[in-house]
This record gives sequence, C-alpha cells and structure tokens, in this order.
Amino acid sequence: GAVVSQHPSWVICKSGTSVKIECRSLDFQATTMFWYRQFPKQSLMLMATSNEGSKATYEQGVEKDKFLINHASLTLSTLTVTSAHPEDSSFYICSARGDGLQPQHFGDGTRLSIL
Amino acid sequence: AQSVTQLGSHVSVSEGALVLLRCNYSSSVPPYLFWYVQYPNQGLQLLLKYTSAATLVKGINGFEAEFKKSETSFHLTKPSAHMSDAAEYFCAVMGGTSYGKLTFGQGTILTVHP
Repeated sequence: GAVVSQHPSWVICKSGTSVKIECRSLDFQATTMFWYRQFPKQSLMLMATSNEGSKATYEQGVEKDKFLINHASLTLSTLTVTSAHPEDSSFYICSARGDGLQPQHFGDGTRLSIL
Repeated sequence: AQSVTQLGSHVSVSEGALVLLRCNYSSSVPPYLFWYVQYPNQGLQLLLKYTSAATLVKGINGFEAEFKKSETSFHLTKPSAHMSDAAEYFCAVMGGTSYGKLTFGQGTILTVHP
C-alpha cells in the first residue's frame, strides 16, 4: 500500500519551455503533498507544501511564479516549471501523506534536464 | 524547530557485517522519526518509523532502529549487511507540526564490499 506515482521519470527539453510533473497517490487520499528538489550528492530540499484545494506554501527562496503547484484533488498534485532554464535542471521528487501520523510516501522522482 | 545530524556521510562495511548508521536529532516537541533509503535515480522508500510507541522499531529488509530520548538518537542497524543494502540512507524528523513537514539529515551512503 501507500504507492505514489510520479510522471514523467525523465524530461529533456529546450530552454524557455514549461514542464509539468505529475504526482499521484494511487491507493490513499493525500491530504498533503510535498515537492522537493535534490542536487547531486545532497539531501532533499523542500520546495513547497500543498494541501488539496488550497494554495501551496512555498519555502523561503523558492520562486512561486517559477514553480507553479496545483493540488486539485486528494490524489493529484502537479508541479510546473515555467520558462525553464539550465539552472533549473535537477532531480525533483514529490511525496504524499494522509492524515494524522502517517509518514510521507515518495514518488520515484523526475530527472529534469534543460538544454 | 527540528534538526537532524547524520554522523558519517559514507559508511563502508563488508557483506555479512553489522550495519550501523547514526542519527541524532533536535526537536522542541516530542519527535516522530523516520529512516528512508534511496537507490540511485529513485525516490525515497520508507524503512521504518518511530511515532512514540515502542522505542525499538523494526522495519523492512531486516533493519531496525532504537529511539533513545536521553541521547537524542535514532540509530539504524542491521545485523548482517547484504550487497543489495548499498544505497543512501536518510534520517528525518517530524516535529508534530501541521502539514507533517520533514526535516532530513544530510544522508549517509552505505557501501557494501564482497
């Protein structure tokens, strides 16, 4: 149980394009979803927290207009990297959790490469 | 506020040897603690969690961790390492705040030698 699916797993695109990443909880209702960025050989950096039907809460230093997050249902959240540039290239990981003391369950990540 | 310190960014053991990955935490409220494993180019998989029940927690793949409040530690152990255990391990704390945000340690890369 507690499966989180993240799609796509790998994206290569040209500078200036926008990229959408989907995160789905397959067998539970995700009250809260999280988006992380991970640089090589580093830990996860929380970008934002989203609750279904509410605006996302962004961490300090994360550009809201660059990284658009939508959490329209209890099973789906999307991250859109707008007008992506090479410095946005990274490994993006989502996670989802239910209510109470439920742990976060992670997707398999998306490797984003901007040329 | 919470913080996590993982002592040792790299740990190397022989196959069959004891695995010990260290984690110390700081939390202003009773903590909930987690260990996750990450294989290359993948997300994180939950190994085990401590949520104020038994202090010795058993997880998947033969791993276990012991919560020691007096030492503010939550070290991860496995009696006998397998080659398949080679991965990066993250300790994380959730301080009972809303939204269940996690604070991660810097990670420990475990290498297992034949």
